[in-house]
Formats: sequence, C-alpha cells, structure tokens
Amino acid sequence: LAKTTQPISMDSYEGQEVNITCSHNNIATNDYITWYQQFPSQGPRFIIQGYKTKVTNEVASLFIPADRKSSTLSLPRVSLSDTAVYYCLVGANSGYALNFGKGTSLLVTP
Amino acid sequence: GAGVSQTPSNKVTEKGKYVELRCDPISGHTALYWYRQSLGQGPEFLIYFQGTGAADDSGLPNDRFFAVRPEGSVSTLKIQRTERGDSAVYLCASSHQQFGGELFFGEGSRLTVL
Repeated sequence: LAKTTQPISMDSYEGQEVNITCSHNNIATNDYITWYQQFPSQGPRFIIQGYKTKVTNEVASLFIPADRKSSTLSLPRVSLSDTAVYYCLVGANSGYALNFGKGTSLLVTP
Repeated sequence: GAGVSQTPSNKVTEKGKYVELRCDPISGHTALYWYRQSLGQGPEFLIYFQGTGAADDSGLPNDRFFAVRPEGSVSTLKIQRTERGDSAVYLCASSHQQFGGELFFGEGSRLTVL
C-alpha cells in the first residue's frame, strides 16, 4: 500500500478556502485517492475520490497533478462545522485494507 | 436501517473477559469491514468480509480476535481474554461494491478494558 504524508494539523478562519495536501510518492498505477472526514465520536465519512486531474462534488474538490505523487483536497469557504480530522487514503479500488494514517486535524475558528 | 448500526455503543469489561461487538451493515451491502481506532490514531484495518467469507483477516492482531458473518449480513467481532491494550473504538463499515469504493461507517463501539 502506498504510504501517505499529510500535515498533522491546520488552522483556518470561517469563510476561507482550505487546501490540504497529501503526498503519496509511491502511488501505483491502479491506485485511487480517497479522502474521508471524521468528527469526534463518529465513524469516518467519505468526501471525495479521484484518479487523476480534478474531481469536484458538492462539498469539495480534489486536485491531482499529472504525476499523481500528491493530491490536494480543497474545501471552499469553510465553516465551524468543518472542524474535523481529514484522512487521505491511497489504494486500488480493490484496496479495502486502506491505511488511514493519522490524518490532518483541521480547526476552523470564527 | 438507513446506516451502519453498531452495538453496544459502549462496553466496559474487565481484563480477561470475553466480548462480542455487533455490526448491522446497510441492507444489500455485500462487503463488510472492521477497523480499530485508538486515541489520536486513524482507523486500523482488522478484517474484510465479502458475503459470508472473510476475504482478508490479515489485520487481526492475534488469535484472541475473531469475526463472523454467518448469513452475509450482520457481523460479530469476538475478542477473547481481553487485555487493557484492546481498549479502543471498534468501527464497522460496509460497501456495496465488491472491492473498495465508498465505505459507510457506523459510529463505532467504544471498548474499555479495565
């Protein structure tokens, strides 16, 4: 499984755009990049998944450069409720044994 | 139900006791996963079921841990001779795809071994 590296923590103010970058230098050809969000006392929640270029949904965008050795989760105009831990996972779509790592703890303040 | 249901939500037991944790996945999801999450850490993979069979149990830490899914729906994680180091939140997730895809997690069962 590809090893991922992401910042331990990030701080932001409400209304700002937040970009969390994840490094995955040894990503394999058939690996996908998936991001999950976790609030305290809850299980992780799927945010977005991509393979290359850019993916956008109603809550976030995922930017993946051509070499796919990193990816950036972009959260537009964060609110206090976006305070959570964000996990970057890399694995084949058959990579069910996904390594969550320690994630990035995002704190949004007024 | 609408989501993955896990019971009990909290379990306190004494060292050496036997514990069962139950997971009721989303109806129709054939894939079921168990993870363990310690304080300050991300979820750690334990075991994956596809239908009734354990497709991968490589994450189970030792033979005190066992899981079953006899009818391809509800799953039970069983821990024998519990140790204080087993204290953690045990998360269950299900998926409608045979491999990977979006995982839907329950809220977890918090196990405390005294």
